Amino acid sequence: KAGVTQTPRYLIKTRGQQVTLSCSPISGHRSVSWYQQTPGQGLQFLFEYFSETQRNKGNFPGRFSGRQFSNSRSEMNVSTLELGDSALYLCASSLWGLAGERNTGELFFGEGSRLTVL
Amino acid sequence: QQQVKQSPQSLIVQKGGISIINCAYENTAFDYFPWYQQFPGKGPALLIAIRPDVSEKKEGRFTISFNKSAKQFSLHIMDSQPGDSATYFCAASRGWETSGSRLTFGEGTQLTVNP
Repeated sequence: KAGVTQTPRYLIKTRGQQVTLSCSPISGHRSVSWYQQTPGQGLQFLFEYFSETQRNKGNFPGRFSGRQFSNSRSEMNVSTLELGDSALYLCASSLWGLAGERNTGELFFGEGSRLTVL
Repeated sequence: QQQVKQSPQSLIVQKGGISIINCAYENTAFDYFPWYQQFPGKGPALLIAIRPDVSEKKEGRFTISFNKSAKQFSLHIMDSQPGDSATYFCAASRGWETSGSRLTFGEGTQLTVNP
């Protein structure tokens, strides 16, 4: 079974630009969440989607947004990039919300998209 | 405030030794405590998890000890191996079955196991 796939793996942007990151969850998973990882702040929750609906949102400014498609694939967008947005953006999928599944709470992370803002 | 504090920040252990990483939380509503392991260039992967109805959970060389009254939990790695060298994150969430995938992570511990 293929794991969580994130694209692109690396990208460089300049301040003021916007960026879109993509995530394909494990087949059959319908819950997708996004985390930002930085050396200073660690892993911080951005948002979670289930069945194309945002279920939870972390404490990030409105420049950070996301969406989920009917095939469970998800995208996140960061507009008006700032230097502090440089980070590894991780996507995770889970079995949460699937009736009849044994939901252990496990998140399956992708390898991340490393964003550098210059 | 929903924080999870993790220590130490880094840890060096000799092969065969015991690695111990500690975490403390504030929110008594937390009811799910996983540990994730992350290798360079990879995403975190679930190592072991515990719910507060038990005080200890063991899976192979990895054990979680949980102290509900002290609001602390720890990861013990027995017979540490060089392949265990990675960054370890504790985490917590509340009402996972209803709140989904929102984990609050500790700051991480970089473990190095010397051969």
